[in-house]
Amino acid sequence: NAGVTQTPKFRVLKTGQSMTLLCAQDMNHEYMYWYRQDPGMGLRLIHYSVGEGTTAKGEVPDGYNVSRLKKQNFLLGLESAAPSQTSVYFCASSYFSDLNTEAFFGQGTRLTVV
Amino acid sequence: SQQGEEDPQALSIQEGENATMNCSYKTSINNLQWYRQNSGRGLVHLILIRSNEREKHSGRLRVTLDTSKKSSSLLITASRAADTASYFCATETSNDYKLSFGAGTTVTVRA
Repeated sequence: NAGVTQTPKFRVLKTGQSMTLLCAQDMNHEYMYWYRQDPGMGLRLIHYSVGEGTTAKGEVPDGYNVSRLKKQNFLLGLESAAPSQTSVYFCASSYFSDLNTEAFFGQGTRLTVV
Repeated sequence: SQQGEEDPQALSIQEGENATMNCSYKTSINNLQWYRQNSGRGLVHLILIRSNEREKHSGRLRVTLDTSKKSSSLLITASRAADTASYFCATETSNDYKLSFGAGTTVTVRA
């Protein structure tokens, strides 16, 4: 059982380049989340989705776009990368809120923008 | 600003001692969760407490929740070196189902 898988694990981008981070979960979870983690800041929510075809903004959505075309996948896009987007990105998924269950996390993607 | 705030930011204790950390939040919640993160790794869920619960236990973990004060505490009893990690509280807010994290408490357990 793979759980939550993030691709890639590491990436170096030049300023202005674009890229897509892929999050895949095999637990049939409805909710999926993208976070970024910077030193001393904890995890900050970028975007999230409460079901296939839906997305919503989190605390720090600027500069990012997301799509949830399939229930098992949640894509995070950077259209024009900036050094301020250097961070570790985590994806998470969980069941419906009514079940009050925990979120499962991927191992993270370390992104450096130079 | 973030929904949850942990206190203290860092904690250093001797093996065998108890570790207590607190979390305060701002808006109405469905539940509050605690996670652990070892250096360079993903987060691992520890315990979840619903908004209508006041206390919950899991092994050496004890969590309390006071919704009137919008605060929670996590107690780790009889700490071990392996408990060295960062601990985060996360709240699922009632109106939009966001899962928001605080900045975390870094716990170091000295042998």
